[in-house]
Amino acid sequence: AQSVTQLDSQVPVFEEAPVELRCNYSSSVSVYLFWYVQYPNQGLQLLLKYLSGSTLVKGINGFEAEFNKSQTSFHLRKPSVHISDTAEYFCAVTLSGGYQKVTFGTGTKLQVIP
Amino acid sequence: EAGVTQSPTHLIKTRGQQVTLRCSPISGHTSVYWYQQALGLGLQFLLWYDEGEERNRGNFPPRFSGRQFPNYSSELNVNALELEDSALYLCASSLEKVSGNTIYFGEGSWLTVV
Repeated sequence: AQSVTQLDSQVPVFEEAPVELRCNYSSSVSVYLFWYVQYPNQGLQLLLKYLSGSTLVKGINGFEAEFNKSQTSFHLRKPSVHISDTAEYFCAVTLSGGYQKVTFGTGTKLQVIP
Repeated sequence: EAGVTQSPTHLIKTRGQQVTLRCSPISGHTSVYWYQQALGLGLQFLLWYDEGEERNRGNFPPRFSGRQFPNYSSELNVNALELEDSALYLCASSLEKVSGNTIYFGEGSWLTVV
């Protein structure tokens, strides 16, 4: 079965500074990877996803992530954060093919400090 | 176009009672997923319905059940409520089976068990 680990439960960062949110997955077969964001009192919305092709994936709001198969990682990055990026970010993984459930990490709370 | 809608948004139940949560997927989506988001535990996969059939089930006791109707809307039922069932219950939908397809979340139903 697949699993995903987000080691950092909280990441404080100053406004306009860069940020990296870490995500590592575990699977012996091909996977699809996702990053979702949850703003306070809202559901989750997709930031970006990796299915195949280029390992660098660009998403909404200036976020990008890089799929690294050898390190089984899919870290999320943004070169300059804004106050409005304060939210909880979830990494997710699913196996390719068939009725494969999406497994989410425990989330990383990004707090942007003015 | 309307997103995933859930009802009720908030409810309070007493331990031992039963609750039914409802979800309407995005028009055209046939798959519906249920997740439990308890404080500090991230998103835990509950159930997945597609075309009226249960396709996958998470590691939850049988008192968590659900169904999908011919119009693809869904209900989640929880019997014999326990205090630890207090959580945000998120419904999501996608086109057909999930692999690679983005799942779109509703804003959730907050359940408090007292």
